[in-house]
Amino acid sequence: GAVVSQHPSWVICKSGTSVKIECRSLDFQATTMFWYRQFPKQSLMLMATSNEGSKATYEQGVEKDKFLINHASLTLSTLTVTSAHPEDSSFYICSAWTGAYEQYFGPGTRLTVT
Amino acid sequence: AQKVTQAQTEISVVEKEDVTLDCVYETRDTTYYLFWYKQPPSGELVFLIRRNSFDEQNEISGRYSWNFQKSTSSFNFTITASQVVDSAVYFCALSEENRDDKIIFGKGTRLHILP
Repeated sequence: GAVVSQHPSWVICKSGTSVKIECRSLDFQATTMFWYRQFPKQSLMLMATSNEGSKATYEQGVEKDKFLINHASLTLSTLTVTSAHPEDSSFYICSAWTGAYEQYFGPGTRLTVT
Repeated sequence: AQKVTQAQTEISVVEKEDVTLDCVYETRDTTYYLFWYKQPPSGELVFLIRRNSFDEQNEISGRYSWNFQKSTSSFNFTITASQVVDSAVYFCALSEENRDDKIIFGKGTRLHILP
């Protein structure tokens, strides 16, 4: 099946700094990718839809200036958490559609803000 | 409104028992897709099944089976002869064709298989 990778798999940063998370589709092109956030023992919450070559679409309640999404190519979307705070600590997961109506999820990135 | 309800927050069963995880969904669309995912402690989502709204046939894959009933808007998942390795969080999810293919997840059911 298709493979989606995320980098880094885990990151620790200090409060106030910015962190970039990459999501790559390794063997297919993805015009649309999605970013989810999962707090401990909770479900995945959709944050935004990342569209190649255009602005991301954010879900209600998600701060677009805090969570910057860039989908610069058909195989790469990045999520930058700006001015991170401890409450941003979470598990971030991306997913990508192959175009054959199959969606694949990345392995996730665990962010800890100290 | 698009909604997925997994009423069972946590279930514990003894190994080799059968267990059914419930999923009830809400949608106004006639074309939609239902999913089940497994999330082991590592965190990586494992795709189990996708079923479209026009296919109500039940499916069996090894010890796993799914019962899709549109009349009750349910898509239940049964594990037969459970094993310790089945311990994980299981998510039921829904996507609608006219909603940009977003997958909306239920809150998940944490399954403990006791040896």
